[in-house]
Amino acid sequence: DAKTTQPNSMESNEEEPVHLPCNHSTISGTDYIHWYRQLPSQGPEYVIHGLTSNVNNRMASLAIAEDRKSSTLILHRATLRDAAVYYCILRRSGNTGKLIFGQGTTLQVKP
Amino acid sequence: DTGVSQNPRHKITKRGQNVTFRCDPISEHNRLYWYRQTLGQGPEFLTYFQNEAQLEKSRLLSDRFSAERPKGSFSTLEIQRTEQGDSAMYLCASSFDFVTGTSTDTQYFGPGTRLTVL
Repeated sequence: DAKTTQPNSMESNEEEPVHLPCNHSTISGTDYIHWYRQLPSQGPEYVIHGLTSNVNNRMASLAIAEDRKSSTLILHRATLRDAAVYYCILRRSGNTGKLIFGQGTTLQVKP
Repeated sequence: DTGVSQNPRHKITKRGQNVTFRCDPISEHNRLYWYRQTLGQGPEFLTYFQNEAQLEKSRLLSDRFSAERPKGSFSTLEIQRTEQGDSAMYLCASSFDFVTGTSTDTQYFGPGTRLTVL
């Protein structure tokens, strides 16, 4: 399975936008880019996913580079509740759909 | 829809004892996953069910681990002869995949069962 690389930690101020980067230089054509996050003492929760085009939902936006070797999760206005570990995951179409988590990025949001 | 539930939430046991965890997925979800998470690490995949069939097991799942999903509903994960290295959070997730193999389904996670082996 293709690997992802994320910064260990990032900081943001409340109500400011946050851009969380992810590198996946070995991505294959059938790999979807998924983002999950894990709030303290909770199980992970789905944030967003995409294949080639940028995606928006009520939680976030996902910007995918044209060559698909990197992507960026965008939180438009960070709140204290967004403090979590964010995982960028590649899921290959056709397999069992298991999620392979890396270390993720720990996001701190300062008031 | 009450989400994925797991019981117990916490389990403390002595080394060598057997433990069993239960996961109740979201109703009608055909996929069920088990993951294990140790402190400071991301969750690691353990095993996967499509309905009642166990279709994949990680190499992490030693012979002391067994999982079942009778009738494709709830699932149990049993650990026999527990070791201190089994101490972790055990997470269950479920999803519904309209078309098998697309890997676009969203996984919904339960709160986990925290196991402490003394």
